[in-house]
Amino acid sequence: ETGVTQTPRHLVMGMTNKKSLKCEQHLGHNAMYWYKQSAKKPLELMFVYNFKEQTENNSVPSRFSPECPNSSHLFLHLHTLQPEDSALYLCASSQGGRVRMNTEAFFGQGTRLTVV
Amino acid sequence: DAKTTQPNSMESNEEEPVHLPCNHSTISGTDYIHWYRQLPSQGPEYVIHGLTSNVNNRMASLAIAEDRKSSTLILHRATLRDAAVYYCILRDRNTDKLIFGTGTRLQVFP
Repeated sequence: ETGVTQTPRHLVMGMTNKKSLKCEQHLGHNAMYWYKQSAKKPLELMFVYNFKEQTENNSVPSRFSPECPNSSHLFLHLHTLQPEDSALYLCASSQGGRVRMNTEAFFGQGTRLTVV
Repeated sequence: DAKTTQPNSMESNEEEPVHLPCNHSTISGTDYIHWYRQLPSQGPEYVIHGLTSNVNNRMASLAIAEDRKSSTLILHRATLRDAAVYYCILRDRNTDKLIFGTGTRLQVFP
């Protein structure tokens, strides 16, 4: 248990569906991250939020839409996905701001997404 | 972003020490060196981090070269549970990014 909770753990969706992934942390962190990990590939950073503001968008297609309503919650809204979007989606949190480089990030267990 | 270079894979026998190297020749003075590992079917977990001095914690030790252009993660007695992909990452104060490379896949044999 890392303190970062992702739901659901598994998701199967059709290409025309709309679904959302949820991430929650109560560690007092103010930076939250979405990563994508495809089979046999390194983690790819998708989005970063710091104090609820998006600070990084790593050229992610618009069919992925993040939302950070507060520092404890992060969502990834999915619509009209493609089969190649099937992957493990990981959420992480850490301290942001001036101490960011001297603190660790905590990861959730991930959501295993399959697009059919 | 400053880059790190790690071997693709390493092997060890159980209860032997393991030294996982990482090169980061373009490291800047304010970059911290972080190590994470990812066990099969799990999210990455933090292992250790440091700036200039060697560091020890309950999981591992981190040895940092004097010029900071390389570092070594030391597992003092490998167990089967230590089989994972180990990532060496540089983290700086100017960005929230935490960029993972391909890491080193460690296999541990009984």
